[in-house]
Amino acid sequence: GAVVSQHPSRVICKSGTSVKIECRSLDFQATTMFWYRQFPKQSLMLMATSNEGSKATYEQGVEKDKFLINHASLTLSTLTVTSAHPEDSSFYICSARADSKYEQYFGPGTRLTVT
Amino acid sequence: SQQGEEDPQALSIQEGENATMNCSYKTSINNLQWYRQNSGRGLVHLILIRSNEREKHSGRLRVTLDTSKKSSSLLITASRAADTASYFCATEALGQGGSEKLVFGKGTKLTVNP
Repeated sequence: GAVVSQHPSRVICKSGTSVKIECRSLDFQATTMFWYRQFPKQSLMLMATSNEGSKATYEQGVEKDKFLINHASLTLSTLTVTSAHPEDSSFYICSARADSKYEQYFGPGTRLTVT
Repeated sequence: SQQGEEDPQALSIQEGENATMNCSYKTSINNLQWYRQNSGRGLVHLILIRSNEREKHSGRLRVTLDTSKKSSSLLITASRAADTASYFCATEALGQGGSEKLVFGKGTKLTVNP
């Protein structure tokens, strides 16, 4: 199956700093990438959908100025958590899809801890 | 809002037994998907069942779909310790901006004891 990678797999940052998470589709071109957030023992919640070359579409309740998403190429999307706070600590998962006809392939996730 | 609701929330069985997990949803769907997540890892797609299908098999997995009851079940037969994971159902819904998005249920945490 298609492979999606995320980097870093774990990151610890101090409160007030920003952290960038990368999501790459390794063997296909992803016209759409999705960013999810998962709290411990809970389900995945979609944060935003990004299409290559256009602005991301954020779900209700997700602050677009805090969670900056860039999808500059067909194989790379980045999520930047700005001015991180301890409540932003979570597991962030991306997924990528080549076309609306095809399934989403998920990355392995990034564990963010804000101290 | 969450579309899918799984039950049970947690299930513990012995190796060799069958495991059944259920999912209910609220709106009309085109398809329903089941995913697996090992602890602290990403999701693995297991199976997709379309709204016009009632049952689907893949190896030791059997999925049923009852659109009249808006429910689906995932059966894992002859379970193995390696099946220990969380299992989520997901349905497609329209997200902000009109694009399709996956809406996940709360998941069932399955533990298979050796």
